[in-house]
Amino acid sequence: QVHLVQSGGGLIQPGGSVRLACAASGFTFSDHSMNWIRQAPGKGLEWVSFINTAASTTKYADSVKGRFTVSRDNANNSLYLLMNGLRAEDTALYYCARGEVVFDAWGQGTTVTVSS
Amino acid sequence: EIVMTQSPATLSVSPGDTASLSCRASQSVSSNLAWYQQKPGQGPRLLIYRASTRATETPVRFSGSGSGTEFTLTISGLRSEDFAVYYCQQFDDWPLTFGGGTKVEI
Repeated sequence: QVHLVQSGGGLIQPGGSVRLACAASGFTFSDHSMNWIRQAPGKGLEWVSFINTAASTTKYADSVKGRFTVSRDNANNSLYLLMNGLRAEDTALYYCARGEVVFDAWGQGTTVTVSS
Repeated sequence: EIVMTQSPATLSVSPGDTASLSCRASQSVSSNLAWYQQKPGQGPRLLIYRASTRATETPVRFSGSGSGTEFTLTISGLRSEDFAVYYCQQFDDWPLTFGGGTKVEI
């Protein structure tokens, strides 16, 4: 059974940093591209970042480009999102999701709140 | 970026009804469209991809149609577990974008 278990997040001061993690199990992690998607409180879904299987290609939404960095460790079946220069508008529930462009498995979500 | 617009924002229906949810793209996305269902407190679940292909375990009462800029998700014989928010998503071009969602409520 596919499982994506997320950790990290919390209350972060503006300008601060945090790293989110997503631990995969139940499938061959190295065979799948992965994404991060976020949902601001009471809002819809926003794609944030993509990383391919070999980590040779990454993509970012313009709203986070230059501040967020996606990475993966295929040996440990883990996906990461390093978030720097956090802003109030980054406050959201962050999901990791499996898939190249269609997301067929999602993590449980982890909350990032940016506030002083 | 491609803007996805869903309508209506809220759809009030009764169990057993048929619900039709609309999704419009600001430019053609061919058939590169997916639909997701999200229930309160849960992550989204993939229902449909390539506009009309049901994902694994998606019940047959869910059907998708359309191409280009106009798409429809139809839920036939609504069941209590179908009351949720539904999102469309285009994957024709980066950045990948979602519609604002349609809440299906009783």
